[in-house]
Amino acid sequence: AQSVTQPDIHITVSEGASLELRCNYSYGATPYLFWYVQSPGQGLQLLLKYFSGDTLVQGIKGFEAEFKRSQSSFNLRKPSVHWSDAAEYFCAVLPRGFQKLVFGTGTRLLVSP
Amino acid sequence: GAVVSQHPSRVICKSGTSVKIECRSLDFQATTMFWYRQFPKQSLMLMATSNEGSKATYEQGVEKDKFLINHASLTLSTLTVTSAHPEDSSFYICSARPPTGGDTEAFFGQGTRLTVV
Repeated sequence: AQSVTQPDIHITVSEGASLELRCNYSYGATPYLFWYVQSPGQGLQLLLKYFSGDTLVQGIKGFEAEFKRSQSSFNLRKPSVHWSDAAEYFCAVLPRGFQKLVFGTGTRLLVSP
Repeated sequence: GAVVSQHPSRVICKSGTSVKIECRSLDFQATTMFWYRQFPKQSLMLMATSNEGSKATYEQGVEKDKFLINHASLTLSTLTVTSAHPEDSSFYICSARPPTGGDTEAFFGQGTRLTVV
């Protein structure tokens, strides 16, 4: 079945440490891939996206993500986490030729001092 | 990037009344908009696809008579929660994609926190 999986519900990272949030998808053809961030009570902000080309994508706020076709993954990374990065992170896919985004279940990032 | 504005950000209403939520694309025309519902600490659940000038397409299990969607112009879609009950309390978010082909992301409104008392 087609799906988007974020295996980590919660992640706690020390401020200044590196971060990796996992996202795996299950679709026949590589969909468009996105990472969004949501602060409490707010809408979603796009961090980065992958449509084609370079598999390492740079986004805002120092985030990057790498598309790995062989693993059907699009993991989000940041080399040094700041306390303001604490939020909910959603991986989303848009199957090519379709209009509806499909969201993962989200990963809540907690940043410890 | 493109801007999608949602209003109101918070609303409290009495049980049995109706509430209207607006979603506007401020700098692009959107023939299609999407309405999501988000329960606490959960992901977004697509409720319906709003189509300008035609009926909305509802996802399975969403009551179209309770959640009325109107997309009367290329920049405005509205979601009306009719005869609201406490179980309708939730966070509602809209989104839209600029009509420039496949290589565009969706932009989201700020969300509306609905509390039915």
